[in-house]
Amino acid sequence: GQNIDQPTEMTATEGAIVQINCTYQTSGFNGLFWYQQHAGEAPTFLSYNVLDGLEEKGRFSSFLSRSKGYSYLLLKELQMKDSASYLCAVRDSNYQLIWGAGTKLIIKP
Amino acid sequence: DTEVTQTPKHLVMGMTNKKSLKCEQHMGHRAMYWYKQKAKKPPELMFVYSYEKLSINESVPSRFSPECPNSSLLNLHLHALQPEDSALYLCASSPRELTNEQFFGPGTRLTVL
Repeated sequence: GQNIDQPTEMTATEGAIVQINCTYQTSGFNGLFWYQQHAGEAPTFLSYNVLDGLEEKGRFSSFLSRSKGYSYLLLKELQMKDSASYLCAVRDSNYQLIWGAGTKLIIKP
Repeated sequence: DTEVTQTPKHLVMGMTNKKSLKCEQHMGHRAMYWYKQKAKKPPELMFVYSYEKLSINESVPSRFSPECPNSSLLNLHLHALQPEDSALYLCASSPRELTNEQFFGPGTRLTVL
């Protein structure tokens, strides 16, 4: 079966750095996505990785290792507004998006 | 205009009611999606329309009926729903079906009594 694993919840301190991991087992791979979703709101696109390595976009970076079936989202200089759920999703060989359950990130002052 | 809009924001309906959810985008996107999301769960794909034709139906019960009147509009007609259908219904669009980023609307919070 297809499976995406990410931690259920993480807590970090304002101004710090946090890394949210995602591991996947899917039938084929055509890219990995990270979305941010604030409570009661729609998901918003953060990043897309299809090749191995690190993609940096401002305070957010995403890393992919296809051989390990592993990705992480790195958030730097955390702000209170970063408190949200972070969803990892993988596009499989049929180009279907398989979603992880999301990681709820709590930022404390 | 770079957003996806959905109406209504909230909907409460009985099991015998018929209602419709509406989604609109004016970004020229040719793929549109309906997702269902329960609390603390990821979005579940329901339907995909590509160039106004139904491309994917993820074995959704017939009490949910999608419609794509034109390239900017996507409707979801609801009839004889069950309480377990209560969820956040998200619409999304992308330039084409296989492009990378999907733009999500704010969702319709549906409660079935």
